[in-house]
Amino acid sequence: DVVMTQSPLSLPVTLGQPASISCRSNHSLVHSDGNTYLNWFQQRPGQSPRRLIYEVSNRDSGVPDRFSGSGSGTDFTLKISRVEAEDVGVYYCMQGTHWRTFGQGTKVEIK
Amino acid sequence: EVQLVESGGGLVQPGGSLRLSCAASGFTFSTYWMTWVRQAPGKGLEWVANINRDGSEKYYVDSVKGRFTISRDNARKSLYLQMNSLRVEDTAVYYCARDSMTTVNTDLFDFWGQGTLVTVSS
Repeated sequence: DVVMTQSPLSLPVTLGQPASISCRSNHSLVHSDGNTYLNWFQQRPGQSPRRLIYEVSNRDSGVPDRFSGSGSGTDFTLKISRVEAEDVGVYYCMQGTHWRTFGQGTKVEIK
Repeated sequence: EVQLVESGGGLVQPGGSLRLSCAASGFTFSTYWMTWVRQAPGKGLEWVANINRDGSEKYYVDSVKGRFTISRDNARKSLYLQMNSLRVEDTAVYYCARDSMTTVNTDLFDFWGQGTLVTVSS
């Protein structure tokens, strides 16, 4: 089974400062078709999840460019260049290469 | 505009059954795999089940195998989750999400519904 491990699980951040979330898989997420199906989701309080990033580094429509994704193989990172108040919530990575598995989530809050 | 609207949640006793529905609009439903994801109170997201475009392939997380059945009606543009032998630990908000046009693709989980709450309690 594929296990997705996020760190940290809680991330207090000062407004305007950067934030970084790590996501590690116990198996390579490179699919047989050559793509890497690693997505990032944001879940604001009381809302449904929203996809931010697909295939490691591609931002979805309407996602601010302060969000960026990077990584390869088994190690991935979501970065927020300057945290804004609306970024408070829980962030999840998810792999689609070996069926479907979510990370535990990282709660981003303002200090 | 893509919309996914879940319904059918509620309070049920342990051992009981419930059927969730998800009404889709704004896209060609029959060309997408569809998924159910759940979130227990205060917990993270858990993929539950998904189904291919014509309903001939179905996959489940181990904890619901033999108890839950995913199905779809492409004419009605609807996704379903029949939940039997419910347990307290099945208590969660259940979301339907658009999965992918193929087994896996760029559109994976790009749209989600608002969720429906299932509470299993005596």
